[in-house]
Amino acid sequence: KNQVEQSPQSLIILEGKNCTLQCNYTVSPFSNLRWYKQDTGRGPVSLTIMTFSENTKSNGRYTATLDADTKQSSLHITASQLSDSASYICVVTDRGSTLGRLYFGRGTQLTVWP
Amino acid sequence: EADIYQTPRYLVIGTGKKITLECSQTMGHDKMYWYQQDPGMELHLIHYSYGVNSTEKGDLSSESTVSRIRTEHFPLTLESARPSHTSQYLCASSDTRGGTGELFFGEGSRLTVL
Repeated sequence: KNQVEQSPQSLIILEGKNCTLQCNYTVSPFSNLRWYKQDTGRGPVSLTIMTFSENTKSNGRYTATLDADTKQSSLHITASQLSDSASYICVVTDRGSTLGRLYFGRGTQLTVWP
Repeated sequence: EADIYQTPRYLVIGTGKKITLECSQTMGHDKMYWYQQDPGMELHLIHYSYGVNSTEKGDLSSESTVSRIRTEHFPLTLESARPSHTSQYLCASSDTRGGTGELFFGEGSRLTVL
């Protein structure tokens, strides 16, 4: 069964600290993996996209990694800011059909305290 | 910033009422989607469209209906709302013809049925 599991479910850190969010998936065949940020009461916004051949990709203070062999991805946030408080959602796309079906994780709720 | 708009942002209605959630995008994207999101849960696809006059049901069974008469417009209608329909509804679009497949989300419509 194709699934996307994220951990931790929630996380509280102090402003300025780093943190790492995890995403494990069983989706096959794999096409790509995206990390989205969803602020409270808003729609998700894409942070990064990782394809099979990519190991690391950065977007400012956000760095995503992908290990396609172990089917794991992580999102590392450096020097956290209050505005990083949000839900971070891992989304995996399969390539088993022309539809490119999307599988969503439940998200990690990050809270950054001053 | 994504050019996809949803109205209303918030709606509180009584049981049995008919409601339409509006969604419009100005990016010329061919594919559009409706997702349902409950707190702490993953997004569930309820409807999608490949283009004008194309609509399909998603993974999650829904009593709502959709239409795609124009490329930019993808409204969702509930003929008779019930308390079980209380949820956050997110509209999204993507360009499958040459884009990266990234989903662009609207701000969401939070529906409460009393």
